[in-house]
Amino acid sequence: KAGVTQTPRYLIKTRGQQVTLSCSPISGHRSVSWYQQTPGQGLQFLFEYFSETQRNKGNFPGRFSGRQFSNSRSEMNVSTLELGDSALYLCASSLVGTGVDTQYFGPGTRLTVL
Amino acid sequence: ELKVEQNPLFLSMQEGKNYTIYCNYSTTSDRLYWYRQDPGKSLESLFVLLSNGAVKQEGRLMASLDTKARLSTLHITAAVHDLSATYFCAVDMSSQGNLIFGKGTKLSVKP
Repeated sequence: KAGVTQTPRYLIKTRGQQVTLSCSPISGHRSVSWYQQTPGQGLQFLFEYFSETQRNKGNFPGRFSGRQFSNSRSEMNVSTLELGDSALYLCASSLVGTGVDTQYFGPGTRLTVL
Repeated sequence: ELKVEQNPLFLSMQEGKNYTIYCNYSTTSDRLYWYRQDPGKSLESLFVLLSNGAVKQEGRLMASLDTKARLSTLHITAAVHDLSATYFCAVDMSSQGNLIFGKGTKLSVKP
């Protein structure tokens, strides 16, 4: 069974630009969560989608947004990039995201903002 | 607000030794996860602990959960170099795909 895939794997942008990251979950998984990982703040939850609906959102500014498609694939968008947005962005998928099923993580997208 | 604290944050061990990583969390939860991350890589699921008293073992690693004490432990037996990685515990509070992670324990196993 194929794992969680994320594209692109690496991205370099400049301040003020916007970026879209993509995540394809494991086949059959309907919940997709997004996390930001930085050396200073560690792993922080961004948002979670289930059946095309955002069910939960972390404490991030509105510049961070996401969506989920009918095939469970998800995208996240960051507008007006800031230097502090440089991070590893991880998505994770699970069957239904209820907490009793494991979240499986993708390889991540490393975003560098110059 | 749920807080998850791991200690130690850095651990340098010799091969063959035993050690325990601790994960404390601040609010009642009976769902706790342990993940491993190698440098530059993603997170690999190690254990899922879903009830008080749960104990799981895989190779040289054993994880346990005490929900009353709000404490999980990851015990390493007879460490080997291949176990060098960063280990994270995470607690699920919302049942909606929201994991709160500890800061991680960076383990280095030296010959």
